[in-house]
Amino acid sequence: ELKVEQNPLFLSMQEGKNYTIYCNYSTTSDRLYWYRQDPGKSLESLFVLLSNGAVKQEGRLMASLDTKARLSTLHITAAVHDLSATYFCAATNTGGFKTIFGAGTRLFVKA
Amino acid sequence: EPEVTQTPSHQVTQMGQEVILRCVPISNHLYFYWYRQILGQKVEFLVSFYNNEISEKSEIFDDQFSVERPDGSNFTLKIRSTKLEDSAMYFCASTSDQAVRAFFGQGTRLTVV
Repeated sequence: ELKVEQNPLFLSMQEGKNYTIYCNYSTTSDRLYWYRQDPGKSLESLFVLLSNGAVKQEGRLMASLDTKARLSTLHITAAVHDLSATYFCAATNTGGFKTIFGAGTRLFVKA
Repeated sequence: EPEVTQTPSHQVTQMGQEVILRCVPISNHLYFYWYRQILGQKVEFLVSFYNNEISEKSEIFDDQFSVERPDGSNFTLKIRSTKLEDSAMYFCASTSDQAVRAFFGQGTRLTVV
């Protein structure tokens, strides 16, 4: 059964600093997603990662995938307050449509 | 930008009553999903729908739940006999292809009393 674990679950960081959120999944997966959720809001899709070694970047966020290690990372560069949100990773079972979410990382960027 | 719309935004219902949550996915999308999120907790997959049928469902999606795409534009989630533990935010999502980003609606907050 596919399980997804994220760490840390809570992250408080200073503006301008870099940090990485880790996402491990337990069995093979076809697709790895990263989402952002602001308090009381819906989910915003950030990245879809499909293959080993995939790297995607948008602004100060960069996501990567290592399928051999079953690990994805979301790297934050020079954090700004606007990045404060909860970030979820999610993985889809191989050959299927079922998407399992991690518990989420609540990020707070202090000015 | 096209968006997924959900109605109502908030629904309060008595335990044991039936509710229908409505979603209008983006028009050229082919894959449709329902998720739920109990307040402050993780997002849970309920069901996926493709080619006018359920493609996969979770253990949560038992006989009390059903989905329909009655008219080619709406995508509905029905809960036949609501329980207190069904109280959650329900999100609909759609995508044109599983390899690209999905778009989520703003959610329906369901409160069962």
